[in-house]
Order: sequence, then C-alpha cells, then structure tokens
Amino acid sequence: RKEVEQDPGPFNVPEGATVAFNCTYSNSASQSFFWYRQDCRKEPKLLMSVYSSGNEDGRFTAQLNRASQYISLLIRDSKLSDSATYLCVVSLSGGYQKVTFGTGTKLQVIP
Amino acid sequence: GAVVSQHPSRVICKSGTSVKIECRSLDFQATTMFWYRQFPKQSLMLMATSNEGSKATYEQGVEKDKFLINHASLTLSTLTVTSAHPEDSSFYICSARDRRQGFDSGSPLHFGNGTRLTVT
Repeated sequence: RKEVEQDPGPFNVPEGATVAFNCTYSNSASQSFFWYRQDCRKEPKLLMSVYSSGNEDGRFTAQLNRASQYISLLIRDSKLSDSATYLCVVSLSGGYQKVTFGTGTKLQVIP
Repeated sequence: GAVVSQHPSRVICKSGTSVKIECRSLDFQATTMFWYRQFPKQSLMLMATSNEGSKATYEQGVEKDKFLINHASLTLSTLTVTSAHPEDSSFYICSARDRRQGFDSGSPLHFGNGTRLTVT
C-alpha cells in the first residue's frame, strides 16, 4: 500500500461547480498535512495546511479525519484558474522532517 | 513570502557529463534542504535530505556517489548529477524550511522552481 494515495483523476468539472478530493495515508503517526497545488511543469505551491478541526480559506475547505486516516479538499465555485494538479502532502512528527507526496489529483475546470 | 531560487531551470547535457543544480534560500536561512525528483505523471520522490555542515541523508535506492549533495552554507545547497545517463532525465526540485520555524515537521516547505534535466 502506498504511504499516501490519491485518485489521479482527471476530474473534469464545469465552472462554478463544487469538487472534492480525498487523500488517504497509511502511517497513523503522521502529524502534519498539507494540500499543494502544482501547475504543469512547475514547482508545487502551498495551497493550505490542514488542521485537525478543519479549516477554510476562501473557496477552499480542508478537513482531516484521523480515525479513517484521510484528508479532503473541497473547492467551491470552481474557476478556470483552479485547473491544476492537487498534491496531498503528509509529514511525520518528532522532528523527522521527511514528507511524503501523493501522486496528485488532476483537476480540469471547463468553461 | 519565503523564496527559494533554483538554477538552472532547464539543462540539456550529453550522456556521461555532470550537471550541477543550485538551490538558494533568498530571504531566510535553511539548515535543511530537500531534493526531489519527479518523473512524468508521478509524484515527487524524495531523493535526499541536505544538512548544512554535514553529510546528506539519502533515501533508499538513491546512489550517493551519483547524486552528490553539498550544503555549504545556510542558504545554498547543490545537487550534482555525475555521469548523467538518459534515465536521469527528470524534473529535479529542491525545497527548504525556514530555520526560524524550528525543527518541526508542521511547517510548510518552500519549493524552488525546479530544474528540468534532459540527458541526450
């Protein structure tokens, strides 16, 4: 089983739609979680951290379910500019800074 | 926000030659930098962790004699791909954490803009 798993997609959604991605992780000791966005042939950019209580940043909502070991990202009112690959990133605690990336979920927002 | 500069952004070299990639943190100090490789349609794979003033820690399956890492200062880490072969062609990305954020995996990574290496 992969350490971090994501549905690769692609998710093709119309503008204005709401779309959600899930990501599962295998290591129950994981402590830190992030969503990154990667545009084609570019470096990943931090979209948002994921907090235990869930958090929202504008149209984006992230949630963490430790019991089921998954995190989610919800995008409301999709824009064309949201088209990208969304990477789930999981990090262990205890000062060990290794992070593990999921393969990413590709989103294509259609006019 | 924090900026990590990676150079060159693109390089084409002949098989058997060596290529050096630089990763600089421009407005913060990073005691630790990370080097990743990404093949098409795959996730970023950590190659090694670069520690300032000490030897790098390589992930399983990554040849340390082939991928030489030097972290000579708090703002610069270099990755040298020695005797490059076509199978080394990939997207190489570095990342760093701000030293002021402490030795805590909870702080996000700042990525360089990546280097696309093509070995002919």
